[in-house]
Amino acid sequence: SAVISQKPSRDICQRGTSLTIQCQVDSQVTMMFWYRQQPGQSLTLIATANQGSEATYESGFVIDKFPISRPNLTFSTLTVSNMSPEDSSIYLCSVWEQLNTEAFFGQGTRLTVV
Amino acid sequence: QKEVEQDPGPLSVPEGAIVSLNCTYSNSAFQYFMWYRQYSRKGPELLMYTYSSGNKEDGRFTAQVDKSSKYISLFIRDSQPSDSATYLCAMSPNTGNQFYFGTGTSLTVIP
Repeated sequence: SAVISQKPSRDICQRGTSLTIQCQVDSQVTMMFWYRQQPGQSLTLIATANQGSEATYESGFVIDKFPISRPNLTFSTLTVSNMSPEDSSIYLCSVWEQLNTEAFFGQGTRLTVV
Repeated sequence: QKEVEQDPGPLSVPEGAIVSLNCTYSNSAFQYFMWYRQYSRKGPELLMYTYSSGNKEDGRFTAQVDKSSKYISLFIRDSQPSDSATYLCAMSPNTGNQFYFGTGTSLTVIP
């Protein structure tokens, strides 16, 4: 199974600032996904990150607010920009392990905006 | 209508009980069905994966998919206190596509 390392595991940030979350995978994967899990809610897809192209954002999410980088097949970053308390959530990256057709998640980044 | 419906519970059972967790869905294109377990303050952990219809068993866990009814289930036999977690169903039309998640069912197994 793919091993995903996500950093930081948690952070408390001031409103108006930005936080960059890193996701490192121990194998090459074509697609990486970024999800948000708000308190008491299920997971909502923010965007799909493909290596070599711009990320594809879901309705309600925009690049200016959640810029994503995907410089290679094992790494991606999600930035939460100009944060407000409403951005307080768990942010998770996910990958499909193509050989086994299974999908795995990082441990998540618990973000609190004060 | 949500793509995936899941009873959020909470569900509380005595140790040793058989637990049944269920999800329904509306999109007939879904072919890949996953169950994730999420402990408090942790990311989702893949528990079971099923492709198309049928059953799959792994130890105390059995996953069932009935595509004709658009209904999936996860059964936990001989439940243990360590099974206490939130269980999320997720499904996708194809490998490499996004997942559509249920809201999760909170399970507590009482010793």
